[in-house]
Amino acid sequence: GAGVSQTPSNKVTEKGKYVELRCDPISGHTALYWYRQSLGQGPEFLIYFQGTGAADDSGLPNDRFFAVRPEGSVSTLKIQRTERGDSAVYLCATRRGARDGYTFGSGTRLTVV
Amino acid sequence: AQRVTQPEKLLSVFKGAPVELKCNYSYSGSPELFWYVQYSRQRLQLLLRHISRESIKGFTADLNKGETSFHLKKPFAQEEDSAMYYCALSAQNRDDKIIFGKGTRLHILP
Repeated sequence: GAGVSQTPSNKVTEKGKYVELRCDPISGHTALYWYRQSLGQGPEFLIYFQGTGAADDSGLPNDRFFAVRPEGSVSTLKIQRTERGDSAVYLCATRRGARDGYTFGSGTRLTVV
Repeated sequence: AQRVTQPEKLLSVFKGAPVELKCNYSYSGSPELFWYVQYSRQRLQLLLRHISRESIKGFTADLNKGETSFHLKKPFAQEEDSAMYYCALSAQNRDDKIIFGKGTRLHILP
């Protein structure tokens, strides 16, 4: 597609529930990154994929968070047993190669009530 | 430790006045520095990166390795410059995560 697409744009869920957030990268972009942005903060790194594999998952806050990219294109960020502190905007970014810029999606606003 | 520091949370500047958004960084290797901008209700978008040495919308930023700074400047502020600005760094010529600063909200006063 023309840009990085993230769905849903908004998600409200109850504490304790499971959620999945989807990122559709720009075609041909091999590197894909997930970030979390809380109110008043800059984006915080969660995990990045090079192709199908997670090259760096050091930013995942705990084992409730997991992400996959099974075919090297679409990625899904999965959050189990959601907590109110998980409320944030989850951003996805992709890039074609190391010399290219990062392109961000418009994010998914997750609200845990 | 890899870190980006933007000391100002909010900067208010009169229209037509010069703008300088400060950014300092800490990085052990060869960093690539970026400025990202987020206008109201829009997605984060790249404003400029130090390796391209471009001037976008009248903004420039020079990498000062001695002072580990990458301040964003514009000689004459315009009202449409009001936005959140994030300084960020990554490893140069390598696929790696970006580390963002906390951001500075630029408010242009009429």
